[in-house]
Amino acid sequence: GQQLNQSPQSMFIQEGEDVSMNCTSSSIFNTWLWYKQDPGEGPVLLIALYKAGELTSNGRLTAQFGITRKDSFLNISASIPSDVGIYFCAGLDQKLVFGQGTRLTINP
Amino acid sequence: GAVVSQHPSWVICKSGTSVKIECRSLDFQATTMFWYRQFPKQSLMLMATSNEGSKATYEQGVEKDKFLINHASLTLSTLTVTSAHPEDSSFYICSARDMLAVYYNEQFFGPGTRLTVL
Repeated sequence: GQQLNQSPQSMFIQEGEDVSMNCTSSSIFNTWLWYKQDPGEGPVLLIALYKAGELTSNGRLTAQFGITRKDSFLNISASIPSDVGIYFCAGLDQKLVFGQGTRLTINP
Repeated sequence: GAVVSQHPSWVICKSGTSVKIECRSLDFQATTMFWYRQFPKQSLMLMATSNEGSKATYEQGVEKDKFLINHASLTLSTLTVTSAHPEDSSFYICSARDMLAVYYNEQFFGPGTRLTVL
C-alpha cells in the first residue's frame, strides 16, 4: 500500500527557533495536507496544498507541495510553546494516507 | 463551521463486551465518514470508509464482523467494537467529508475516543 516517510521523527528545539519537517512518498498525491495533533485530541488541519509547486502560508507556518507531487515540507518560524505537539503530513487521493508524525518538543 | 463530535470521549469496558462509538457532523452533511485507529506513539491508520445508506468499505486486515459500522444518516456514523479484547484498546478517531465543500475531499476530524478494554 501507499506509504509516506516523514522526517524527522522527533525534534527538540529552543523557543524562538525555526522548524522544518518533510514528507516523501513513493507515489503521487493530488493533495497534500499537514495536521497537528495535541495529546488526546484528533488532528487539526493546518495547511492544505492542492497544486504541485504551491507554496502556502498560515501565520508562522509555510508548506510547499513538491513539483513531483511526491513530497512536501512544513516550516514553522519563531516557534512558541503552543507549537508543541505531533505534526502529521497526509497525502490525499480517495482516502488519506498519513506519515508517521514528527513530535515537536520546545525548551523554554 | 465543520465541527465533528465523538461520543464517548473515553470508555473502559470488560473483555468480551461490545462498545459503540458515535461520530457526528454538527454543522454539515457528510455522505462519507472515515474511522481511524491510532495506537500510542503511532500514526493514524484507516480502518474503514463509511458511506451513508450503504455498506462500509473496510481496509485490508480489518475484521468487518468485529468492527461494525453503521452510517444511517448524513450526520451520524457509529462504530461498534464487538466482543472487545485488550488488544482492541486504542484511540479511535473519525473524520467526515463535507459533501458541499469546495474542496470536497477535505476531511474534518473528531476529537477521538479512548477505548480501554480490561
